[in-house]
Amino acid sequence: NAGVMQNPRHLVRRRGQEARLRCSPMKGHSHVYWYRQLPEEGLKFMVYLQKENIIDESGMPKERFSAEFPKEGPSILRIQQVVRGDSAAYFCASSPGRGGQPQHFGDGTRLSIL
Amino acid sequence: SQELEQSPQSLIVQEGKNLTINCTSSKTLYGLYWYKQKYGEGLIFLMMLQKGGEEKSHEKITAKLDEKKQQSSLHITASQPSHAGIYLCGADNSGNEKLTFGTGTRLTIIP
Repeated sequence: NAGVMQNPRHLVRRRGQEARLRCSPMKGHSHVYWYRQLPEEGLKFMVYLQKENIIDESGMPKERFSAEFPKEGPSILRIQQVVRGDSAAYFCASSPGRGGQPQHFGDGTRLSIL
Repeated sequence: SQELEQSPQSLIVQEGKNLTINCTSSKTLYGLYWYKQKYGEGLIFLMMLQKGGEEKSHEKITAKLDEKKQQSSLHITASQPSHAGIYLCGADNSGNEKLTFGTGTRLTIIP
């Protein structure tokens, strides 16, 4: 009865490197959402995906950030050429996608940029 | 102004006392979700409200959504140390499952 699984829990990168964050949704959930929580700020929506489709990416920064949810395997949030300002907690949530169902969250990935 | 305002920002309550946290939206709510977050951890789903006037309870926690669907309250009865944490309300303002979150209420329970 596993919940939403995110890995790694903690990730340290140097400026200019790439960060890959993974999210496996709950069993039976086909919708995945990524949120970012900056220090001392609230959770901000980034992107909403279904299998092989990006539904809403209105919260994604225009450059360096991308997300995918392939037919097989976890959803990936990819950040290229990381900068100090990317340091944050990144949370993934999933839902069955049927109307009125809550999103369930993972424990997050804490990304630190040196 | 913020789309979703939570109050108070922090709350210190003596164990056994009741407390209320409020969440006010500047837009109509298609859905209102309450979560609890412990420092450094993920969000735990508490309750979801969709209909105006709806009220739900689980153990000692009750959440309500007002008739106009722009404000919700979370009430804890006889608080316990296990209730400590950060309470977040999340709003679906457009029916598209994209949630906007308040900045949270940090609850501390003292003996």
